[in-house]
Amino acid sequence: QSALTQPASVSGSLGQSITISCIGSSSDVGGYDYVSWYQQHAGKAPTLVIYEVSNRPSGVSNRFSGSKSGNTASLTISGLQAEDEADYYCSSYRSGNTPSVFGTGTTVTVL
Amino acid sequence: QVQLVQSGPEVKKPGASVKVSCKASGYTLNDYGLTWVRQAPGQGLEWMGWTSAYSGYPNYEQNLQVRVTMTTDTSTNTAYMELRGLTSDDTAVYYCARGSVNLEYWGQGTLVTVSS
Repeated sequence: QSALTQPASVSGSLGQSITISCIGSSSDVGGYDYVSWYQQHAGKAPTLVIYEVSNRPSGVSNRFSGSKSGNTASLTISGLQAEDEADYYCSSYRSGNTPSVFGTGTTVTVL
Repeated sequence: QVQLVQSGPEVKKPGASVKVSCKASGYTLNDYGLTWVRQAPGQGLEWMGWTSAYSGYPNYEQNLQVRVTMTTDTSTNTAYMELRGLTSDDTAVYYCARGSVNLEYWGQGTLVTVSS
């Protein structure tokens, strides 16, 4: 399966905003509103921070927001904090034989 | 509260099989889908397959489907993932997660090491 494309790394200063892109195709990101984003701290299991493009699960900070335009989904973290330093993965439903796919992952560094 | 508790680490020789368990509490497994994801050391997340809540049937990643089997024991509310014909490329942390596209609850992960 070909993974969704994310930048390998993104960095920002404390308090700034950053945006992570997730590029897919019309068979996945562009075709369905089933894009999720996961945060993973080192050595820990991933946690869901955005589901169905722009919805936040209960307990997730409103500093996290999601959007989609065409075949590209985006995760924005505003008011960057030290605890946001982690790996982030997008995921999308996909038509065809393999119904779900993850992105390549992005390491966020807080300067 | 919802919890997924996975079995402990495994060390296997090449060619062997491994069976990882995922015991759910706080909800009934069959009411939601269950997804298996793995992560090789220093690598990204890889979707392995899921068991649909609607059909109860599994759907596997194409490259794994000849070697993987995902099952559910409703009497113990436990899911299992068996992977056969192990190679060093299968060394990874294996996760179970509730759901199919929105994975809100995850197990703690099971490290499977394949080494001769």
